[in-house]
Formats: sequence, structure tokens, C-alpha cells
Amino acid sequence: QKEVEQDPGPLSVPEGAIVSLNCTYSNSAFQYFMWYRQYSRKGPELLMYTYSSGNKEDGRFTAQVDKSSKYISLFIRDSQPSDSATYLCAMSAPSGAGSYQLTFGKGTKLSVIP
Amino acid sequence: DADVTQTPRNRITKTGKRIMLECSQTKGHDRMYWYRQDPGLGLRLIYYSFDVKDINKGEISDGYSVSRQAQAKFSLSLESAIPNQTALYFCATSTGSNYGYTFGSGTRLTVV
Repeated sequence: QKEVEQDPGPLSVPEGAIVSLNCTYSNSAFQYFMWYRQYSRKGPELLMYTYSSGNKEDGRFTAQVDKSSKYISLFIRDSQPSDSATYLCAMSAPSGAGSYQLTFGKGTKLSVIP
Repeated sequence: DADVTQTPRNRITKTGKRIMLECSQTKGHDRMYWYRQDPGLGLRLIYYSFDVKDINKGEISDGYSVSRQAQAKFSLSLESAIPNQTALYFCATSTGSNYGYTFGSGTRLTVV
């Protein structure tokens, strides 16, 4: 079993829909949870990060972490065509000497249709 | 200017050729990374460096080498390119904190 599992999609939704993107993980040492957004022919950019279980909101985006179930989600409300991108979850665990190493999911490709 | 700059943006090369991909950053971060991204396989770590004198192999280092010329520069070399090294290559930097890698825009490499 891979440490981080993410459904690759693709996911296609109409404009204005609520989008739910999800990842599961197996490593209990993961402490920080992130979502990156990657537009076509661009590098991933950090969208949101969270540490504890629960919800974190930023505008139309909500990140949710359930450590007991080892499950994280990203919700996008009122989705826009500009949200069309690949979304990668990432998680970090201590790797010694006070540093952290990231593990990425494979990414979910989202298309928002006008 | 971008915080993390990769050159070239696109490159087509022939099997057996040596090629170097370059990365420079203005973030002042100590840590630098090279990843490759393939459809269906996601991001895979090739090499990483925590400072100028520190180089570490990632999960797929075979066929690659790196050089950390300065805090701000980290280059990736393919000594003898092969077609299955065709991929999108990303350089990233971090402070070593728990999150927040900054990625470059990538180099699309095609080996024919």
C-alpha cells in the first residue's frame, strides 16, 4: 500500500458546483497536511496547509483533516473555470534533525465546465 | 523574476547525450530538490540537498547526478539520456519547515 493514495480522476464538474477532493494515508507519523494546485505546464503551488484534525477555511476553499480515519479532503465551493487544474495532496513527517520530508499524492485533475 | 527559475523550459535531446538542467533560486532557502513528474506516477524525488556540502539520493536517482554549486544553484545531469527519462522535471526549495516547498515552472525533457 502506498503511503498516500489519491484518486487521479479526471473529475469534471459544471461551474458553480461543490467539488470534493480526497486523499487517504497510512503513515501515522504524518503531522502536516497540504494541498497544492498545479496549472498546466506550471509547477505546483501551495494552496492550503493544516496541522490538526478539523477544518480550515480560506475563501471558497476548505481543507479537512480526520487523523483518526487517516483521511483528508479539499472542498471547493462555487467552483470556477479558473479552478481547473491538478490538485495534489501532500503530507509531511519528521525525518530527523528537526526537518520534515514531504510525500505527495499523485494528483487529481479537475475540469470546471462553464 | 520568479523565485525559482529553471532552464531550459523545454529540451529535446537524443539517446546517449549528456544533458544538464539548471535551477536557481532567490528565496534564500537552504534546501533544494529535484523531482520528475510522469502521468499516473505523480512527483518522484530524484535528489535533494540540505546545504552546499550535503547531497542525498531520492527514490529514483539511478541515471542522474546533481551538483550544488552554491546555496542558490542546484543542477541535475543526465549522463547518458535514455527515452524513459522523458518527463517533466521540477526543482523545488524549502526552509526545512514542515510544509511550503516552492516549485519552479519545470523543464519538459524529451529523449528521442
